[in-house]
Amino acid sequence: GEEVAQTPKHLVRGEGQKAKLYCAPIKGHSYVFWYQQVLKNEFKFLISFQNENVFDETGMPKERFSAKCLPNSPCSLEIQATKLEDSAVYFCASSQGTGSYNSPLHFGNGTRLTVT
Amino acid sequence: AQSVTQPDIHITVSEGASLELRCNYSYGATPYLFWYVQSPGQGLQLLLKYFSGDTLVQGIKGFEAEFKRSQSSFNLRKPSVHWSDAAEYFCAVGATGGGNKLTFGTGTQLKVEL
Repeated sequence: GEEVAQTPKHLVRGEGQKAKLYCAPIKGHSYVFWYQQVLKNEFKFLISFQNENVFDETGMPKERFSAKCLPNSPCSLEIQATKLEDSAVYFCASSQGTGSYNSPLHFGNGTRLTVT
Repeated sequence: AQSVTQPDIHITVSEGASLELRCNYSYGATPYLFWYVQSPGQGLQLLLKYFSGDTLVQGIKGFEAEFKRSQSSFNLRKPSVHWSDAAEYFCAVGATGGGNKLTFGTGTQLKVEL
């Protein structure tokens, strides 16, 4: 598609429950990125993929967070045993290439995760 | 490590007035610089970008930004603000060869008074 599609728009989970977020990148884009926006304005890089391979995972919490991009499937970000501090908007972005300038990021509209 | 500072958390301007949003960056080499806009409930939309060449960059929606290496700044400007410009604006820096991993500022909330 022409847009990065994220589902669901909103997700509510009780503390300790699992949360799974999905992202369909723009067709033809090889790179997928996940960012976490906490407190409305702080964007934290989580992880990026080149096709189905992890490209950079330096921002991923070591525990409870995992992500995948499998062929012919939406990418996913999964949080096991959610905590209150995981409440945030999670943005997915895709790009054609890895060069920041010539292939800028295209963002989805985000998934708002609320952990109660 | 790179960083971005947006000193103004909130800015209010009257419709038709000029606008300047400040952005200062810290990066050891020539940075990739971006301005994004976020409307409520939406993702980020790219306004403009800079890497090299002319230091005054034109973007969409009538926005422009000027790169000043000596001041480590990349301020966003618009000569005449429209009510529809009310949104959150984010400056971001990307490292050369950084694989599109951006570091964002904390954003400036723009309010437009009619």
